Amino acid sequence: DVVLTQSPLSLPVTLGQPASFSCRSSQSLTHSDGNTYLSWFQLRPGQCPRRLIYRVSNRDSGVPDRFSGSGSGTDFTLKISRVEAEDVGIYYCMQGTHWPPGYTFGQGTTLEIK
Amino acid sequence: DVQLVESGGGLEKPGGSLRLSCKVSGLSFSTAWMSWVRQSPGKGLECVGLIRSQNNGGTIDYGAPVKGRFTISRDDSISTLYLQMNSLKIEDTGIYYCTTDVGSIWTPFWGQGALVAVSS
Repeated sequence: DVVLTQSPLSLPVTLGQPASFSCRSSQSLTHSDGNTYLSWFQLRPGQCPRRLIYRVSNRDSGVPDRFSGSGSGTDFTLKISRVEAEDVGIYYCMQGTHWPPGYTFGQGTTLEIK
Repeated sequence: DVQLVESGGGLEKPGGSLRLSCKVSGLSFSTAWMSWVRQSPGKGLECVGLIRSQNNGGTIDYGAPVKGRFTISRDDSISTLYLQMNSLKIEDTGIYYCTTDVGSIWTPFWGQGALVAVSS
């Protein structure tokens, strides 16, 4: 089964500085239909999860443009151009290319303020 | 406004059963693909399963940890999604979210979460 490995597990960042999250897949996430089904989710303390990015680089409705996604094949990155206090939380990547196993999340990266 | 309201969580012993419900309003439920996603301290986020709309076959896919124990169903006549959880294990403890398809191109809507605690 496909496995998503995120790094680092913990990311301390100074307010106003950029942050970069890595997600690596054990198999290519390029589907036979040509799409790449890699999404990013944010889990803030005490809140329900929120999807930020779908299909590698498309921002969801209401997501600030300081969030951006990139990558292809097996390597993907989520970037925050300037970290704000409200960005603290855990960030997960998720694949939807391979069925089974179906939607699969990485183990998450915790963003904290330095 | 779109609303997803979950109910039915609680404390149960290992081996027991619980049923979660999710009442949906503000969207066309019968055409919506729906997911259950859980959040647990030890494992982060996990997709429990996905149920497609009836006009897409109504097929269901389950995550490996729950396959054979959990059952997802839907009643389109009352816009409600269900999660029947049998043979509960301690590792099933977590917050269970009802959501529109997390893999769709459309921004997913989420319920408030239902707490499930499995403990002897």
